[in-house]
Amino acid sequence: GAVVSQHPSWVICKSGTSVKIECRSLDFQATTMFWYRQFPKQSLMLMATSNEGSKATYEQGVEKDKFLINHASLTLSTLTVTSAHPEDSSFYICSARDPSGQGAKTQYFGPGTRLLVL
Amino acid sequence: DAKTTQPPSMDCAEGRAANLPCNHSTISGNEYVYWYRQIHSQGPQYIIHGLKNNETNEMASLIITEDRKSSTLILPHATLRDTAVYYCIVRHHTGTASKLTFGTGTRLQVTL
Repeated sequence: GAVVSQHPSWVICKSGTSVKIECRSLDFQATTMFWYRQFPKQSLMLMATSNEGSKATYEQGVEKDKFLINHASLTLSTLTVTSAHPEDSSFYICSARDPSGQGAKTQYFGPGTRLLVL
Repeated sequence: DAKTTQPPSMDCAEGRAANLPCNHSTISGNEYVYWYRQIHSQGPQYIIHGLKNNETNEMASLIITEDRKSSTLILPHATLRDTAVYYCIVRHHTGTASKLTFGTGTRLQVTL
């Protein structure tokens, strides 16, 4: 299947700092990328949908000024957690939709980034 | 997207077939059934998807009932590495309704 990478795989930061997470589709061009968050023992929660070259669409309850999403190219989307606080500690997972292939638009997921805010 | 119902957990002996059920009684005609799994501390992995016909690939088989209100994911010979949370998701292929929304899934434990 298609490959999606994330960087970094884990990050520890001090409260009040900003953290940027990168998501790349390695072998296909993704016009649409998604960002999810997962707290321990819970399911994935969709945070936002980003389309290349346009503003991201955020899910209800997700602060767009806190979670900045940039999708500047067909293979790269970034999520910046601004002024991170301990409650932002979570597992952040990106996903990219492969528009090609047999009419299916399957989403492939990155390995996730574990964020710990001290 | 239609809601799905899955048992919270299942056990399976290594080498046996694992049959994971999913109910999606409110599925609409143009919604697909997708299966993903998430091994601990990793991103979800795509397994298989289908519309109304049964599907098979190198990982699993997907059996969809004729009325499309339920489906079963079959791992023919489960191994310890198949221990994971399995998510059944129904979604449209296009438009804003094509987001993948995860439920609570089924935690499959494969044992020796």
